[in-house]
Amino acid sequence: GAVVSQHPSWVICKSGTSVKIECRSLDFQATTMFWYRQFPKQSLMLMATSNEGSKATYEQGVEKDKFLINHASLTLSTLTVTSAHPEDSSFYICSARGGGRQGPQETQYFGPGTRLLVL
Amino acid sequence: GQNIDQPTEMTATEGAIVQINCTYQTSGFNGLFWYQQHAGEAPTFLSYNVLDGLEEKGRFSSFLSRSKGYSYLLLKELQMKDSASYLCAVLDSNYQLIWGAGTKLIIKP
Repeated sequence: GAVVSQHPSWVICKSGTSVKIECRSLDFQATTMFWYRQFPKQSLMLMATSNEGSKATYEQGVEKDKFLINHASLTLSTLTVTSAHPEDSSFYICSARGGGRQGPQETQYFGPGTRLLVL
Repeated sequence: GQNIDQPTEMTATEGAIVQINCTYQTSGFNGLFWYQQHAGEAPTFLSYNVLDGLEEKGRFSSFLSRSKGYSYLLLKELQMKDSASYLCAVLDSNYQLIWGAGTKLIIKP
């Protein structure tokens, strides 16, 4: 299998608060996890890549102090949106790579996504 | 630069066949993926090609020509539930996945 879960699936918060999103690979160990953001009717945008036990690599234009990523184990990565503002409202999706059986080792398996609405 | 091109939108009829093309120019090549993404949901893995030729998986097939930098996804016996976006993605020499913008497929009865 290759099941990736994300929690929560929906978040509504006030401007200025922080939001933590969890991503777990349920039936395989993920050496690498990815965080994406997707605005309506737009393509996936990679935010950062994280390897277990090391610091995440952020894509150009993504603020690492605003989007904190922790990859503490081979099955869990978290994304914390700090001091969220309305422009951070988006669909955040994680993916995990490293051991699912549906495709090769390089296949990314996606979580169901988290919709964030900042008021 | 790295570039992946696929049509923005296609329309097909239920029961018919549709071919979604993808051309790529990347720094190195370590395989090409096709993903399906229904509106409001995350992408799901469909297929992976690393060698030239056709890979068949039920109603879906994927073809690759590395010399032409070209792939297609073939969907047969279209069903209404196949209405979705189809994303082409290439694994480059650094094992980074380069994503196309996706092709929105509309199925009409």
